[in-house]
Amino acid sequence: SQTIHQWPATLVQPVGSPLSLECTVEGTSNPNLYWYRQAAGRGLQLLFYSVGIGQISSEVPQNLSASRPQDRQFILSSKKLLLSDSGFYLCAWSRGPGELFFGEGSRLTVL
Amino acid sequence: GEDVEQSLFLSVREGDSSVINCTYTDSSSTYLYWYKQEPGAGLQLLTYIFSNMDMKQDQRLTVLLNKKDKHLSLRIADTQTGDSAIYFCAESTLGGGSYIPTFGRGTSLIVHP
Repeated sequence: SQTIHQWPATLVQPVGSPLSLECTVEGTSNPNLYWYRQAAGRGLQLLFYSVGIGQISSEVPQNLSASRPQDRQFILSSKKLLLSDSGFYLCAWSRGPGELFFGEGSRLTVL
Repeated sequence: GEDVEQSLFLSVREGDSSVINCTYTDSSSTYLYWYKQEPGAGLQLLTYIFSNMDMKQDQRLTVLLNKKDKHLSLRIADTQTGDSAIYFCAESTLGGGSYIPTFGRGTSLIVHP
């Protein structure tokens, strides 16, 4: 069966510090991978998606970047965090048409 | 661009039916989904419907699609306290070789005794 792991689950970072959130999928190959952000009281905002290794599409201009160094690994990064980067970050994968399987999320607080 | 709208809150009594409504703007939507998010967790797919269907039933869940009005609803029969969660409506179309869902803001369902 397929599983998705996302870490860390919670982190508190100062403004200006770097960020790295990691997501891995097991039990499938060549999945589509996604990073979403969920801000308080708002819906899910698609940040990045990837249909293959090294292929990253960005949906919104921002302070974040994503990389896919391996088929089932998706990394969300920032060189310098902003206060507005606080939120709940969700990684997801899919094979079929839009049926997403989500990780448990990473709650980032930037102080 | 695509837009998905849903009310933010719904409060129901345990045992009653809950109906969560959603509207979308993209007339080329192919798939429409309902996801459930429990506190502090990721989203889980509850059910989905193809755009050429009017209704789909799965145990206590009934999805109704009015494609003309671009209206989607989720009915939960015999609502239980364990159904308390945020419910997201989403739609997707094929773009760039992938169906990427667009989500609404989510409806917080509160079930009280």
